[in-house]
Amino acid sequence: ETGVTQSPTHLIKTRGQQVTLRCSSQSGHNTVSWYQQALGQGPQFIFQYYREEENGRGNFPPRFSGLQFPNYSSELNVNALELDDSALYLCASSSTAGGFGNTIYFGEGSWLTVV
Amino acid sequence: EDQVTQSPEALRLQEGESSSLNCSYTVSGLRGLFWYRQDPGKGPEFLFTLYSAGEEKEKERLKATLTKKESFLHITAPKPEDSATYLCAVPEGGSEKLVFGKGTKLTVNP
Repeated sequence: ETGVTQSPTHLIKTRGQQVTLRCSSQSGHNTVSWYQQALGQGPQFIFQYYREEENGRGNFPPRFSGLQFPNYSSELNVNALELDDSALYLCASSSTAGGFGNTIYFGEGSWLTVV
Repeated sequence: EDQVTQSPEALRLQEGESSSLNCSYTVSGLRGLFWYRQDPGKGPEFLFTLYSAGEEKEKERLKATLTKKESFLHITAPKPEDSATYLCAVPEGGSEKLVFGKGTKLTVNP
C-alpha cells in the first residue's frame, strides 16, 4: 500500500473528447508526477508538479495539462483524445525534503481506452 | 539522452531455477537506480534504490547489485508468485523524472 490513490480506475472515452484523471499523493509528499504506460512499454514521463508549479515536462503535446492543489493532490487533463492516448496513466508521488534519490511511489493507475 | 535498456525482454523459469535480469544505463552523474515490480494491470511497486557502484540490496529472494554501467536483479529459487514484469529506472538530469526501461517479463512455472 503506497498511499497514492488514483481515480477512476477504468474509463472509456470517444476520440475527440476530454478526460480528467485524479490523484491523491502520499501524506507528506509535495511532488507529483504523471506517467503514461502503453502496453508492453515502460512508463513515459508526462510532467511533474512541485508545490503547485509545473517542474518539468516530457515529450507530450500541450493538450496534456495538469494541476496540483494546495493539498498536493493533482489532476491530469487530456483534451481532444486520440486513439493512441489509450494507456495506463500512473501518478507518482515523492518528497523532495530528503534531497535527490527520494523514493518515488506509484498509484495503481487509471486505464483509459479511447474508441 | 539518458537511456535504460533491460534484458532479456522475457524470461521463463522453473520454480527454484535461479537467474538474473540486467539493466544497463547511460546517464551522466547517476543519482540512483530504481527497481520496481509490476503485476498486470497494476502500478509499479517499489523494490530497491541503489546509489553507488558496489552497492547491494536484498529482499526475500531478490538481490539487486549496481556497477558503473549496469545493474542486476538476481532471483534465487524463484516461486510462481515472483512472476511479474520487473522495471528499472534512473532519474534524469537534476530532476526526479524517471527514465524507465521496457521491463523484463518474468514467468515462473510451478
